[in-house]
Parts: sequence; structure tokens; C-alpha cells
Amino acid sequence: EAAVTQSPRSKVAVTGGKVTLSCHQTNNHDYMYWYRQDTGHGLRLIHYSYVADSTEKGDIPDGYKASRPSQENFSLILELASLSQTAVYFCASSTGGSDYTFGSGTRLLVI
Amino acid sequence: GQQVQQSPASLVLQEGENAELQCNFSTSLNSMQWFYQRPGGSLVSLFYNPSGTKHSGRLTSTTVIKERRSSLHISSSQTTDSGTYLCALEKGNYKYVFGAGTRLKVIA
Repeated sequence: EAAVTQSPRSKVAVTGGKVTLSCHQTNNHDYMYWYRQDTGHGLRLIHYSYVADSTEKGDIPDGYKASRPSQENFSLILELASLSQTAVYFCASSTGGSDYTFGSGTRLLVI
Repeated sequence: GQQVQQSPASLVLQEGENAELQCNFSTSLNSMQWFYQRPGGSLVSLFYNPSGTKHSGRLTSTTVIKERRSSLHISSSQTTDSGTYLCALEKGNYKYVFGAGTRLKVIA
């Protein structure tokens, strides 16, 4: 079954440390996205990619990097984690239209 | 200001009641989508609805481009409908700007 798998499911990170969130999709979709959700709010776009080896900035890219080494994999990197980056992170894939598929999310707590 | 505004912010229904969720856009509407977020956190697409009316079971989505709004109607609500309903505006390259959501609780 086609899916978007995120890892880890949850993580506690120390301020100033490096964090890598991983996303793997088996949908054969060209587009992949990273969103963050803060408690009680909608999702905000951090980075996205429409082809391997290329990433684009979304609406809130500061403090984040992204990497798309293959069509299936898309990572989000926090080089220097900060308290304000505590949130739930969602990865999604799409070819457009109604086939927008989300992963289950990664809960990140920065202390 | 916010590009996507949803109302109401929260809603409590008795099982069997109907609900009307609203989404208003401050910019021109290219396309939009309704998502359901389960209490556990994962999201699923309900409707991709650039314009007009679409039906799926007890759910109906109506988008009026000229008025920059979309609505989601839930009929005969069930406890399993509880969760958060998010509308999102497409901004090109299938990127979405999300509203803050409507938190729905259906009680038996």
C-alpha cells in the first residue's frame, strides 16, 4: 500500500543540537513537502521539492534545511535546534489534486 | 493577515446533528482542499474542490470562487467524525496555506 513514513515518531532534542527528520514515500509522487504544526494551529510549509536533488523554500524556511537525495526520500534538518522549533512536523507527498498523502507526523520537543 | 480563515473555531454536536464549517480566503482562489485530522494527529484528504459542489457519503463540500469561500457540510454526525477539519488554499506547485482548523466534538 502506498504510504508516507516518517521517522522518528517523536524526539527530544537539546538546544543547539542537530536534528534530522526523515520521510520516505512509496507513492511514486514527484512532490514532497515538510510542514510544521504548532498546538492549536494549522500547518505551515517549511520546504518542498518537486524533483530529486532539488529543494525549494516554503513560507517559514529559516532555521531549517532540506535534502531530497532520491524521489522516495526527503529529510528535514535542524542544524542548531532552538526552543521555538518545538512542534509536530508532517511530511507529505503529492502529484497534485486529491492525492495529497501525509505521514503520521514527528513530535519534536527541544529542551 | 491570515489568508485562510475558518469558522467556527470549535463545535460540539449531539450525535445525529448536522454541521456547517466555513472557510474564507483573503486572496484569489486557485484551488483548495479540505483535510480531516484525526485526534491522534494524522491527516487525510476529504475533498479537492476547486469549484462547485462535491459529495462523499455524509459530507458535502461547496466552493464559490467569486466569493472566495468554501464550506463543508456534515450531515447526521457520528462520534467518529470528531477531530479537526482543516481547509487549505493552493498557492501553486501544489503547496498549501492552511487555516487554523475547526475542532469538532460529537457526543453520543
